[in-house]
Amino acid sequence: GAVVSQHPSRVICKSGTSVKIECRSLDFQATTMFWYRQFPKKSLMLMATSNEGSKATYEQGVEKDKFLINHASLTLSTLTVTSAHPEDSSFYICSARDPRRDYEQYFGPGTRLTVT
Amino acid sequence: GQNIDQPTEMTATEGAIVQINCTYQTSGFNGLFWYQQHAGEAPTFLSYNVLDGLEEKGRFSSFLSRSKGYSYLLLKELQMKDSASYLCAVRDQDYQLIWGAGTKLIIKP
Repeated sequence: GAVVSQHPSRVICKSGTSVKIECRSLDFQATTMFWYRQFPKKSLMLMATSNEGSKATYEQGVEKDKFLINHASLTLSTLTVTSAHPEDSSFYICSARDPRRDYEQYFGPGTRLTVT
Repeated sequence: GQNIDQPTEMTATEGAIVQINCTYQTSGFNGLFWYQQHAGEAPTFLSYNVLDGLEEKGRFSSFLSRSKGYSYLLLKELQMKDSASYLCAVRDQDYQLIWGAGTKLIIKP
């Protein structure tokens, strides 16, 4: 199946700093990528839809100025958590839509963010 | 509104069979997905149903009834490694995935 990578897998940062998470589709071109957030023992919460070459579409309640998304190429989308606070600590997962396979989504391995 | 319901938690015995149900009400329908998620890991794809009926893939099978807004995931010959959360997701008319809260499956020896 298609492969999506995510980097870093774990990151610990201090409150007030910014953190960038990368999501790459390794063997297909993804015009659309998705960013999810997951709290412990909860289901996935879609944060935003990232479209290559255009602005991301944010879900209601997600601060676009805090969670900056850039989809600069067909294989890379980045999520930057700006001025991170402890409440931003979570598991962030990206997925990419494979247009060759009925637009099936493939997930990256996730990034565990801890803000101290 | 759009809604997907699945049980919060289920317990089964190693070697047995378990059925995880999912009911949905969504704006349109373009397929139903089942994902497996182990603790601390991202979801992995298990199955996809877009037509009514049963799709079998090894020990796992998935069933869909579009008229009833209902699906189930059937796991046979349960193994300890099957302990995980199982997420039901429906793709709506806009090709957006609507996620259920997941069913935590506990396998006991």
